[in-house]
Amino acid sequence: QQQVKQSPQSLIVQKGGISIINCAYENTAFDYFPWYQQFPGKGPALLIAIRPDVSEKKEGRFTISFNKSAKQFSLHIMDSQPGDSATYFCAASRSARQLTFGSGTQLTVLP
Amino acid sequence: GAGVSQSPSNKVTEKGKDVELRCDPISGHTALYWYRQSLGQGLEFLIYFQGNSAPDKSGLPSDRFSAERTGGSVSTLTIQRTQQEDSAVYLCASSFLAGGGQQYFGPGTRLTVT
Repeated sequence: QQQVKQSPQSLIVQKGGISIINCAYENTAFDYFPWYQQFPGKGPALLIAIRPDVSEKKEGRFTISFNKSAKQFSLHIMDSQPGDSATYFCAASRSARQLTFGSGTQLTVLP
Repeated sequence: GAGVSQSPSNKVTEKGKDVELRCDPISGHTALYWYRQSLGQGLEFLIYFQGNSAPDKSGLPSDRFSAERTGGSVSTLTIQRTQQEDSAVYLCASSFLAGGGQQYFGPGTRLTVT
């Protein structure tokens, strides 16, 4: 089953706090794990992506942590800002082709 | 253009009618993907093209759905005899190569079947 499970469904964080979204996958053939951010009425936009040969990748305030043995990966947003309020999707693919998406997390950052 | 464009942005059609949705990928991108986003099913893969050929059509939900790509550029997704469950946002994405990493998404076409 090529499924990616994402949690939580929704998340409310205070400005300046840390937002954490978790995903788990089943297919061990997956080798590319991106996170996408989507604002209402827009298409998803790539935030950050990781391959399984590293355990962590950081870009600015966004960090992916990857645990290959547990088949889990997570997105951490440091110093969360109201402008980060959006829906976040994790995804996984084999050879960076068609993406299998998680169900999405609606993040609200309170001012 | 600078990004992936899709047309129309919104389409309302009656049940049983055929619709065509268009995607213009980023210039030079050889891989093109179609996804569907709906409340019940989330974001799901439909089909992808490398050049004009479609190596993977596994996500097409029924034989009412088809897609083509001509000239290695524009793609059209056609839904025949639309049903209410086809109502969704249809998203197109492109990447430099299939397997080339980042997929750039268009804004989508919102299809409503009445």
